[in-house]
Formats: sequence, structure tokens, C-alpha cells
Amino acid sequence: GAVVSQHPSWVICKSGTSVKIECRSLDFQATTMFWYRQFPKQSLMLMATSNEGSKATYEQGVEKDKFLINHASLTLSTLTVTSAHPEDSSFYICSASRGANEKLFFGSGTQLSVL
Amino acid sequence: KNEVEQSPQNLTAQEGEFITINCSYSVGISALHWLQQHPGGGIVSLFMLSSGKKKHGRLIATINIQEKHSSLHITASHPRDSAVYICALAGGGADGLTFGKGTHLIIQP
Repeated sequence: GAVVSQHPSWVICKSGTSVKIECRSLDFQATTMFWYRQFPKQSLMLMATSNEGSKATYEQGVEKDKFLINHASLTLSTLTVTSAHPEDSSFYICSASRGANEKLFFGSGTQLSVL
Repeated sequence: KNEVEQSPQNLTAQEGEFITINCSYSVGISALHWLQQHPGGGIVSLFMLSSGKKKHGRLIATINIQEKHSSLHITASHPRDSAVYICALAGGGADGLTFGKGTHLIIQP
């Protein structure tokens, strides 16, 4: 079956640094990938929709200059948390599908801790 | 905006019991997903439904489009079924999902 690979699984960084998270679809092409964030004991929240070859679409309240999304190819989307702060500490997870209304495949998630 | 309500929020049951988790929503959708999230955070898509019923092993998912309601059933539950089960709505097109708050299920041996 389809697999989505997300890397790294966890990262600890100092406040003010930038962190890049990669999401790869391993055996299918994904024109659209989604990035979600989940705070402890909270539900998943969609952050942005990553579109190959065009700008990402951000949800209301998500700062596009802070959470940079690059979907440079049909198999790779990256999320960069710029100038990370402790309040950015969260679980970030991506998903992808072969097409609209197709089954979604999720990455394994990235636990970000900003000190 | 689609409102998603899942119930129960928490459920503890004994091994072997029949489990039902419910999901209701307010606006018509193109599809509904049932997801399973394990303690480590990883998420697995269990079902994607747009109508009727689907079965996979001990898991059964149903959806009633008219009533805007879906259920996830687990037969002969097992401790390894312990996880958070999340209902997520797809509105159509390439939009991301709207998630329910999840049901934290614990199956005791």
C-alpha cells in the first residue's frame, strides 16, 4: 500500500532556530499534501494545504511567514518552522492522497520541542 | 463550517466487548474518514466512507448521509485496539479534513 514517510520523528531545538520537517510520498505522486498540528490532548488541526508547484493555502490563524511550506516535487513537501518558540512545541503530521476523496495516508508525525 | 461531534469522549471496556463510537456532523460532506491514533502519535486511516457500510476484519463502519451520522464498531475487542479513534470529514475537492475531538478507547484484559 501507499506509504508516507515523515522525517524527523522528533526534534528538540533552541528558541529562535528554524526546523525543517519533510513529508514524502514513497510510492505515489501527491499533488496535494496536508500539514496538521496537534497539541497535547487536543484534536488535530489543519494548518495548511501544500500544492505542488504553487503556493500553499493556509488556514485562518496560521502564520504563513512562520510556517513555510514548500512542495517542490510530486513526492515531497516540507514544513519549516522559522524562529521557533516554545509555544510552537507540538506534534506535526502530514498526510497525502492520490487524489481528491481518496483514502489518506499519514506520515508518522514529528514531535517538536522548543526549549 | 462543519461541526463534528464524537461520542463518547472516553470509553473503557473489557476485552471481548462490542464497541460503538459515534460521529455526527452538521453539513453535508463528500466523505468521512475513521482514523486510529496510537499513543506514539502515528495515525492510520481505517475507513473512508461516502455511503453505506464497510467492514475490515473486526472493524465495521457505517454512515447515514441523510442523518449525518456515522458509527465505528469493533467486535470482539482486544487490548491492542486501545487507541484514540478520530472521525474526520472531507468536504470535497482537495480540502483538508475537519476532525472530531476523538474517542479515547481503553480495552482492559
